[in-house]
Amino acid sequence: IAGITQAPTSQILAAGRRMTLRCTQDMRHNAMYWYRQDLGLGLRLIHYSNTAGTTGKGEVPDGYSVSRANTDDFPLTLASAVPSQTSVYFCASSEDSHTEAFFGQGTRLTVV
Amino acid sequence: GQNIDQPTEMTATEGAIVQINCTYQTSGFNGLFWYQQHAGEAPTFLSYNVLDGLEEKGRFSSFLSRSKGYSYLLLKELQMKDSASYLCAVRDSNYQLIWGAGTKLIIKP
Repeated sequence: IAGITQAPTSQILAAGRRMTLRCTQDMRHNAMYWYRQDLGLGLRLIHYSNTAGTTGKGEVPDGYSVSRANTDDFPLTLASAVPSQTSVYFCASSEDSHTEAFFGQGTRLTVV
Repeated sequence: GQNIDQPTEMTATEGAIVQINCTYQTSGFNGLFWYQQHAGEAPTFLSYNVLDGLEEKGRFSSFLSRSKGYSYLLLKELQMKDSASYLCAVRDSNYQLIWGAGTKLIIKP
């Protein structure tokens, strides 16, 4: 099934632990994004990648890292989780930086 | 700073018409998007405007005025399944999307 897949769907994580959120797309899109969505706030960009091998920082990158070793995968890593990182995380992709984005189903992360 | 403003919540009646407004102040403009997001689900693309005017797509239309920094999403013949949040997003000069907090639309029978 074509689309964008995130894993896990939800996770409860102890503060201080390391966690990687996975994102895979099979649409051969060049651009990929990680957003967090918090109640009352718009989607906020964490990191992005315009093409495989390149990444960039978004609006709220602190505490997160990404890699883009190939076109399909764009994992997001929390090196040492803190409660303020409790959020819903969405991965998205687009053909390029000029076209509409398609979203994964989201990962609901709770840091306790 | 960059800012996207939308009403927090709106209520409308099934079968009626509703207009959701969005005003923006961004560093540059390279298009405006509307997305629909049902509770607990991912946002899905609805419409895109880059030139002034109205874009119509079935029951949904989107309007843009770049000089006024203003857009609206018009939903006609409302159905219960239209109950969702509607997100306005503007692509800025760096081609990054700046998102509004969304408008929660409640449809009543």
